[in-house]
Order: sequence, then structure tokens, then C-alpha cells
Amino acid sequence: AQTVTQSQPEMSVQEAETVTLSCTYDTSESNYYLFWYKQPPSRQMILVIRQEAYKQQNATENRFSVNFQKAAKSFSLKISDSQLGDTAMYFCAFIRPGAGSYQLTFGKGTKLSVIP
Amino acid sequence: GAGVSQSPSNKVTEKGKDVELRCDPISGHTALYWYRQSLGQGLEFLIYFQGNSAPDKSGLPSDRFSAERTGGSVSTLTIQRTQQEDSAVYLCASSLGLRVETQYFGPGTRLLVL
Repeated sequence: AQTVTQSQPEMSVQEAETVTLSCTYDTSESNYYLFWYKQPPSRQMILVIRQEAYKQQNATENRFSVNFQKAAKSFSLKISDSQLGDTAMYFCAFIRPGAGSYQLTFGKGTKLSVIP
Repeated sequence: GAGVSQSPSNKVTEKGKDVELRCDPISGHTALYWYRQSLGQGLEFLIYFQGNSAPDKSGLPSDRFSAERTGGSVSTLTIQRTQQEDSAVYLCASSLGLRVETQYFGPGTRLLVL
């Protein structure tokens, strides 16, 4: 079974600073997909970034980038120039193609607070 | 365009009652997922629908839980004889159904069983 571990239950960062959220996962598969989702207090889960395991290049989306270390099974999220609107729960998630239903397996989440 | 919508937004019920939660996926999305988010268990997959294929019910926690999807669009998650441990946020997501693509989530239904 796949597991996703987020070891930081809570983190805080000053506005405009950079913060890195950690995620590790466990799988015996070589082909899979990794995601970071953001959940603000409104409860709506929003995709932040995704990474295909077969791609060596780290994904980036504006202020968000990942450090994907396949051998170490690590997938951290870096948020640059943090903004107040980044305050949210962040979930790391995993999909294993071929599992039939492509459901997301989530970590427990990291609560990020951006301090003005 | 419209996103995934869910109703009701909040639901309070008494233990033993049945509840129905509704999900309207994004138009044209053939894949639909239900997840449960609870304090103790985090986010868990419940059930998956893809087109006319038989649903993947492997995540349903008990036979009190069932779901259907009518006409390949709207889905209803039904919980019979609710228990206090059913209290959670129930999230619905949809995607194009072309394998691994982005799942778009609704705002969820917060269920409280007294």
C-alpha cells in the first residue's frame, strides 16, 4: 500500500519570506504522480502543483516549486514570497496509475500560517 | 465555468437517521470521486465512478454507506443509520476521466451526527 507522510503538522512564515513543506512517500512503483493541494478555511481543495515521477525536472508554478527526489522518495514544496492568502492546510498526495480508480492518497497535512 | 458543487453545505442530524449528500460535477467530467475528511483519519477515498463502468467501492467504510450516479452526472452519497463517527467533511471531486489528470474538488458537506 502507498503511504504519504507529512512530518510537519504546523508551520509559520513571515510574509514575503520563503518556506518549505516536507513530504515523503512509500511505494514500490516506478510510475506515479505526486500533487500538492491547498485547502483554505473555505474547505475547497485547490491544486497547487503536480509532478510526474518519470520527469526529472522539478515542477514550478509561479511562486510554488517542488524538490522531487525520486530515490529518496521525497517531494517537498517551496513557497517563495509568501503571501497572506497562502495561509491554509497543505496536503501532499499520490496517485498510482493502474490502480484502477486513480484515487488520491493524501498525507495528514501541514497547517501553514503566514504572519504579516 | 461552474465548478463542482455540493449540497447541503452543512448538515446536522441525529444518530440513527439517514442522510443524503449531493454532488454536481463539472460538466463533461466523466470521473467522480467521493472522499471523507475527518480529524482522526485525515482524507480517505470512499468511492469512484467512471462513465458507465462499475464503481470502485473499495473505500466505503461499511455497508451503511452507498452512492449512486445518475445519468453519468449528479451523484448522491447516502449514509444510513448514521453514527457519531460518521461526522466529517465529505468532499466530492471530478475529473475528465482520461487517466491521471487534475481532480477538481467541491466545497464539501460538513456532516455532524449528534
